[in-house]
Amino acid sequence: QSDLTQPASVSGSPGQSITIPCTGTSSDVGGYNYVSWYQHHPGKAPKHIIYDVSERPSGVSHRFSGSKSGNTASLTISGLQAEDEADYFCTSYTSTSIRVLFGGGTKVTVL
Amino acid sequence: EVQLVESGGDLVQPGGSLRLSCSASGFTFSNYAMHWVRQAPGKGLEYVSGVSGNGGSTYYADSVKGRFTISRDNSRNTLYFEMSSLRTEDVAMYYCVKGYSYGQFDYWGQGTLVAVSS
Repeated sequence: QSDLTQPASVSGSPGQSITIPCTGTSSDVGGYNYVSWYQHHPGKAPKHIIYDVSERPSGVSHRFSGSKSGNTASLTISGLQAEDEADYFCTSYTSTSIRVLFGGGTKVTVL
Repeated sequence: EVQLVESGGDLVQPGGSLRLSCSASGFTFSNYAMHWVRQAPGKGLEYVSGVSGNGGSTYYADSVKGRFTISRDNSRNTLYFEMSSLRTEDVAMYYCVKGYSYGQFDYWGQGTLVAVSS
């Protein structure tokens, strides 16, 4: 069981928008604006797509956006494309000694 | 272009040892904290260990504390992970990860597989 809660799977049709939640506590997600999201195609290196809750690294598609409300951060993928089919996971800074928590990951399927 | 290339993963017996390496390029290695993150088969990601840019500070998850040692050679742009007293629960893909800020990582390697079995 991971420290941050994500749904195991989310699916959508091409062109649709989907949202992936990442739920923590006031000691991590809710307490700091240091949430990141990563895209992971199996067999490849994970790719950083959102940092500081809602910022996009250079070169990341504008179809990816992040937000946060209370103890839940969310990743929204707009205009879903076949290439978006991958695993997505979140991380959050935490005040505990290990400093970072991971979400369990969400498998996105494009129907 | 930032590149992180892990090596050293192998099949070892329980109680055995292994050293992972991560060769880094494309950035000023000594300026950044580096980390090891693992993913066991069918499980989520787990933060395992980290080291500050100058190597002076290290961090370990409780699950590996006392058995694994992280280190770096900034002259060789290489991160290391000495793993001893390996257990079946250490079986995982181990990723070398570049620190960004406050629990966030901006670049990952493709991983190296560690298997523990008799």
